Amino acid sequence: EAGVAQSPRYKIIEKRQSVAFWCNPISGHATLYWYQQILGQGPKLLIQFQNNGVVDDSQLPKDRFSAERLKGVDSTLKIQPAKLEDSAVYLCASSLAGGAEQYFGPGTRLTVT
Amino acid sequence: AQSVTQLGSHVSVSEGALVLLRCNYSSSVPPYLFWYVQYPNQGLQLLLKYTTGATLVKGINGFEAEFKKSETSFHLTKPSAHMSDAAEYFCAHKPDSNYQLIWGAGTKLIIKP
Repeated sequence: EAGVAQSPRYKIIEKRQSVAFWCNPISGHATLYWYQQILGQGPKLLIQFQNNGVVDDSQLPKDRFSAERLKGVDSTLKIQPAKLEDSAVYLCASSLAGGAEQYFGPGTRLTVT
Repeated sequence: AQSVTQLGSHVSVSEGALVLLRCNYSSSVPPYLFWYVQYPNQGLQLLLKYTTGATLVKGINGFEAEFKKSETSFHLTKPSAHMSDAAEYFCAHKPDSNYQLIWGAGTKLIIKP
C-alpha cells in the first residue's frame, strides 16, 4: 500500500514570495490533514478536510495561507506572501473517515530567507 | 483545555539501558492515545496506540506503553536501547473520534554508545 506522498521535500524562498505544497493521501482515506511543525515543537493542525469539505481550519492564518482539496483526493497548501516565521516542516496526514489513526507523509521543509 | 505533557525535552540513555519516556494527558473521558516517532528529516511514524481493551500496548521496534487511567499517563518504554532508537518521540491524545489530535512537545531520545 502506497503511503502519503508529498512534494516538494525541500523549498527555499525569500520572504514575500509565494509557495505551494502538494499532498496525495493514502487511497481510500477520506480525511486529510495539514500540519505545521516548527523546529523543537509538536505538529500544529492547520486544516482538516473530510472529502472535499473543510472540517476545521481554526488555526489556519487565512490572510496568507489557503488550502484546497477540490476532488476529495489530493490537496494543495499555499502560502502567499511568506514570512520568516513560516519556516517549518509542513506535514500532510490522512486517515479513514472517523479513524483515530493518522498516517503521515515525509513532509516539506520550508525555509524562508 | 485539553493538553499533553511530555516530561523532558531530551532524554539520554546508554545503549542497552532501559528507555522510559513519560507522557501525561488531561482528559475526563477514556481517550485514544498514541506514540509517534520522527527520525531526522522524516515524517511521523506510528509506534503504538491505545484505543480500548488491554492497557499494555505493544508496538513496533520493541516499544510498549501502558495506559494508566488513575494517573492519566501513557509512558513509553523499551527494555534495551539501540543506537537506531535515536529520534524524537511524540505522544498524542484524541479525546474522542470527533476531536483533533492533541500533541505533546516531543522528547528527543539520545543514545550514548
